[in-house]
Amino acid sequence: EDKVVQSPLSLVVHEGDTVTLNCSYEVTNFRSLLWYKQEKKAPTFLFMLTSSGIEKKSGRLSSILDKKELFSILNITATQTGDSAIYLCAACQEGAQKLVFGQGTRLTINP
Amino acid sequence: DARVTQTPRHKVTEMGQEVTMRCQPILGHNTVFWYRQTMMQGLELLAYFRNRAPLDDSGMPKDRFSAEMPDATLATLKIQPSEPRDSAVYFCASGLGGSYNEQFFGPGTRLTVL
Repeated sequence: EDKVVQSPLSLVVHEGDTVTLNCSYEVTNFRSLLWYKQEKKAPTFLFMLTSSGIEKKSGRLSSILDKKELFSILNITATQTGDSAIYLCAACQEGAQKLVFGQGTRLTINP
Repeated sequence: DARVTQTPRHKVTEMGQEVTMRCQPILGHNTVFWYRQTMMQGLELLAYFRNRAPLDDSGMPKDRFSAEMPDATLATLKIQPSEPRDSAVYFCASGLGGSYNEQFFGPGTRLTVL
């Protein structure tokens, strides 16, 4: 059965800290790994990773994929209270459009 | 600013009633997805369409749920009869298909079945 597992499930840190969120996957015919941020409403797209070892960066957020070890990490540096959200990762299979989502990491940034 | 729209945003109904949720995908997107999100189960894929044809509805309880795309600008998810365990947020998402895996989510319909 295809599955995506995220850790930790919940994380509370202070503003300014750096956090690393983990996502491991077991998906047949894996194609790409996606990260989403969900605040109060719908998930919003952050990154899509297809190649191993190539870091994607957007401001204080960065992510990398390891296709040998079947995991991805999402790093957030100099965290701000606005980074508080649920972070979801999802795996996409070759030839299919559907995403298999992890259960999410609830990140709370305290001032 | 292109975005996915969903109606209604909130729905409270009684057990046994029919519920219809609607989604307008982003113009030009050819794939449409229905998800359900609960605290216990997280985001679950219910069904998805490509070019209006259903590709996978294995995540959907067939006896009470149905999903259709009457045209390229409208997707519907219907529950009949509804049950309290159907209470959740239902998201619609659309995408371009092909090598573009990004999916863009609508604001969701929060359904409460009493």
